Amino acid sequence: GAVVSQHPSWVICKSGTSVKIECRSLDFQATTMFWYRQFPKQSLMLMATSNEGSKATYEQGVEKDKFLINHASLTLSTLTVTSAHPEDSSFYICSARAVDGFDYEQYFGPGTRLTVT
Amino acid sequence: DQQVKQNSPSLSVQEGRISILNCDYTNSMFDYFLWYKKYPAEGPTFLISISSIKDKNEDGRFTVFLNKSAKHLSLHIVPSQPGDSAVYFCAASAGYGGSQGNLIFGKGTKLSVKP
Repeated sequence: GAVVSQHPSWVICKSGTSVKIECRSLDFQATTMFWYRQFPKQSLMLMATSNEGSKATYEQGVEKDKFLINHASLTLSTLTVTSAHPEDSSFYICSARAVDGFDYEQYFGPGTRLTVT
Repeated sequence: DQQVKQNSPSLSVQEGRISILNCDYTNSMFDYFLWYKKYPAEGPTFLISISSIKDKNEDGRFTVFLNKSAKHLSLHIVPSQPGDSAVYFCAASAGYGGSQGNLIFGKGTKLSVKP
């Protein structure tokens, strides 16, 4: 159980275009989803926290107008990279936390490799 | 300022021996700690966690030790297997069960287990 999927697994886009990444909790409901970014040989950096039905909370230094996050349901959150630039190329990972009970663990998706040319 | 530090970027261990991965933290408000395993181009997989009210948690071959006074935790893998080769991330949180219990990750330690 506790499977999180991401789509697409990899994407190549041209500079200036927008890319949407989906994060789904497949077998549980997630009130909270997190979006991380990982640069090569570096740690996971939290970009934003999204709670279902409310606006995302962005970490310091993350442009909210560039990285649009929508958590429309208890099983789906989307990250849209708007007007992508080559420096946005990275590995984006989402995670989801279950709704209730004692399951406070975050379950991670497989990640999405974004390359902006 | 790094709140969670994994000072060893890599570790090489012989199969069957013990692997010890270390993690230090600076924020005394952290009350929950987790270890994740990550393969290249994949998301992290949860391994084991420990609450600050404990000093040891064991799950099969994996044991996590917490020393609050030293703000240090370690992951022991015994015996180490080639399939354990991956990057291991230490993560910490303050108020993990709450709405703002975000995880702060260390930079990871790449473990290589040689046959």
